[in-house]
Amino acid sequence: AQSVTQPDIHITVSEGASLELRCNYSYGATPYLFWYVQSPGQGLQLLLKYFSGDTLVQGIKGFEAEFKRSQSSFNLRKPSVHWSDAAEYFCASASGNTGKLIFGQGTTLQVKP
Amino acid sequence: DAMVIQNPRYQVTQFGKPVTLSCSQTLNHNVMYWYQQKSSQAPKLLFHYYDKDFNNEADTPDNFQSRRPNTSFCFLDIRSPGLGDAAMYLCATSRDLAGAKDTQYFGPGTRLTVL
Repeated sequence: AQSVTQPDIHITVSEGASLELRCNYSYGATPYLFWYVQSPGQGLQLLLKYFSGDTLVQGIKGFEAEFKRSQSSFNLRKPSVHWSDAAEYFCASASGNTGKLIFGQGTTLQVKP
Repeated sequence: DAMVIQNPRYQVTQFGKPVTLSCSQTLNHNVMYWYQQKSSQAPKLLFHYYDKDFNNEADTPDNFQSRRPNTSFCFLDIRSPGLGDAAMYLCATSRDLAGAKDTQYFGPGTRLTVL
């Protein structure tokens, strides 16, 4: 069955430091992969997505993610974190047939001043 | 400009008292989704409409129903809310079901409290 795993429940980084959030997927074919961000009490905002082609994907707010088929991973990165990046981050995959999103459990990012 | 709008943002209901949550969209998208997100958990798909075709997830309780009277609006009805139904309910839309390539756009959510 299709699944998404985010190994890190909670991550704390200092403002200005680099960030990497991990995501692993389980799917036979090439999955469609997404990263969403959710601020407290808000809906989900799409950061970036991967369907095919270049494995390094650029998103909004300075985020990027790299698809690595050999590792079944789609990790999210940002070179320099801002205090406003503190939020919940969800990795998700979608079935090619139905469009149904399967979410990981989420990673809470805390940013220290 | 708001694209996916959910009303109300916060809803309080009593145990067993029916409640309806509303979602509207200005994107003219064919697909509308309802997700349930409990505290500190990932969103879970309840059902979706592709145009007027309703698609229920296998594990969605019968207590949850939905209506889509037109392209722009979709409603989530909870017939007899229980304490376990307290959650954030997220509405999302996508242009089509062309594989999984169509991005889903989420509304801000409705936080449901059951007393």
